[in-house]
Amino acid sequence: EAGVAQSPRYKIIEKRQSVAFWCNPISGHATLYWYQQILGQGPKLLIQFQNNGVVDDSQLPKDRFSAERLKGVDSTLKIQPAKLEDSAVYLCASSLPRLGEETQYFGPGTRLLVL
Amino acid sequence: AQSVAQPEDQVNVAEGNPLTVKCTYSVSGNPYLFWYVQYPNRGLQFLLKYITGDNLVKGSYGFEAEFNKSQTSFHLKKPSALVSDSALYFCAVRPLTSGTYKYIFGTGTRLKVLA
Repeated sequence: EAGVAQSPRYKIIEKRQSVAFWCNPISGHATLYWYQQILGQGPKLLIQFQNNGVVDDSQLPKDRFSAERLKGVDSTLKIQPAKLEDSAVYLCASSLPRLGEETQYFGPGTRLLVL
Repeated sequence: AQSVAQPEDQVNVAEGNPLTVKCTYSVSGNPYLFWYVQYPNRGLQFLLKYITGDNLVKGSYGFEAEFNKSQTSFHLKKPSALVSDSALYFCAVRPLTSGTYKYIFGTGTRLKVLA
C-alpha cells in the first residue's frame, strides 16, 4: 500500500514570496491533516479535512495560509506571503475516520526555508 | 488547557540496556494515546497506540508502552535498546471530542543509544 505522498521535499524562498505544497493521502483515507513542525517542537495541527470539508482550522493563520481539498482526495497548502517564522517542516497525514482506526499516517514532509 | 508533556528533551542509554521515554498528559476523559518515531528528514512513523483494554500495549520494533490512568502517563519502553533506535520520539493524545480526530503532540524526546 502506498503511503502519504508530499511534494516538494524541500523549498527555499524569500520572505513575501508565495509557496504551495501538495499532498496525496493514502487511498481511501477520508481525513487529511496539515501540520507545521518548527525545529525543536512537536507538530502543530494547521487544518483538518473530512473529505472535502474543513473540520478544524482554528490554528491556521488565515491571513496568509490557505488550504483546499477540492475533490476530497489530494490537497494543497499555500502560504502567501511567507514570513521568516514560517520556516518549518510541513507534514501531511491521513487517516480513516472510524472509531478504533484512529491512527494517522504521515508523509515525509516538506522542509521550507524562508530567507 | 489540554496538553502533553515529555519531560526529557534527551534520553541516553547504552545498547542492550532497557529504555524508557516518558509521557504524561492533561486531557479530560479517556483519550486515545499514541507514540510516533521520527528519523532525520523523514515523516513520523506510527509505533503503537492505546485505545482501551490491557494497559500494556505492544508495538513495532519491539517497543511497548504502559498506560497508567491514575498518573495520566503513557511511557514508552523497550527491554533492550539498539543503536538503530536512536531517533526523535513523539507522544500524542487524541481527546475524545466529538467531530474531530485532533492529535495533541508532545515536544519530543531525542533518544540516543550508545554502542
